[in-house]
Amino acid sequence: ETGVTQTPRHLVMGMTNKKSLKCEQHLGHNAMYWYKQSAKKPLELMFVYSLEERVENNSVPSRFSPECPNSSHLFLHLHTLQPEDSALYLCASSHSMTGEIYEQYFGPGTRLTVT
Amino acid sequence: SQKIEQNSEALNIQEGKTATLTCNYTNYSPAYLQWYRQDPGRGPVFLLLIRENEKEKRKERLKVTFDTTLKQSLFHVTASQPADSATYLCALDVLDSNYQLIWGAGTKLIIKP
Repeated sequence: ETGVTQTPRHLVMGMTNKKSLKCEQHLGHNAMYWYKQSAKKPLELMFVYSLEERVENNSVPSRFSPECPNSSHLFLHLHTLQPEDSALYLCASSHSMTGEIYEQYFGPGTRLTVT
Repeated sequence: SQKIEQNSEALNIQEGKTATLTCNYTNYSPAYLQWYRQDPGRGPVFLLLIRENEKEKRKERLKVTFDTTLKQSLFHVTASQPADSATYLCALDVLDSNYQLIWGAGTKLIIKP
């Protein structure tokens, strides 16, 4: 395993539901990421947290709301989603340091279906 | 805008042969390029990182080259095995952000026994 866990692995929700995705990393990293992966498309970065502060927000709709209570945990709160939000949601973590890029460690993902 | 192209067609290779995957980019000069492997239903797994001043990097049966003139990276799997079958993703850093990588859509590699 990669040291990054995600729950749930599968989620089916209606457009009016509210749900949350959870990510936990056991690698001592201080940066965490949420990505969206749709079939045959590149990974789309949604949010980045470094040292528990959000540093990037790539114009994601407000129906997605991240939360990073500490450097080991990351949540993605979902509400009033659309069918086009159905995708694989991946959490990743890495070291972070100004001016350096480090490899990212991914969780197994949450397969989300919006009905 | 930055663009990364990976061959969208699956690559079918006979076991034992060398598989070569291509990552081309435009409108950017990255300092780093990374390759990841992704199996169905799983997250990507980091394989190799190569810097702009490195021409080649090796790890066991894997070899990556980085040609900043051609704006291209090649990923080679030598003595390929069916277990090497997966989707391979390349990713480039973005200098104006310390944390963002730009990703290719990946190439599916199928090794036939």
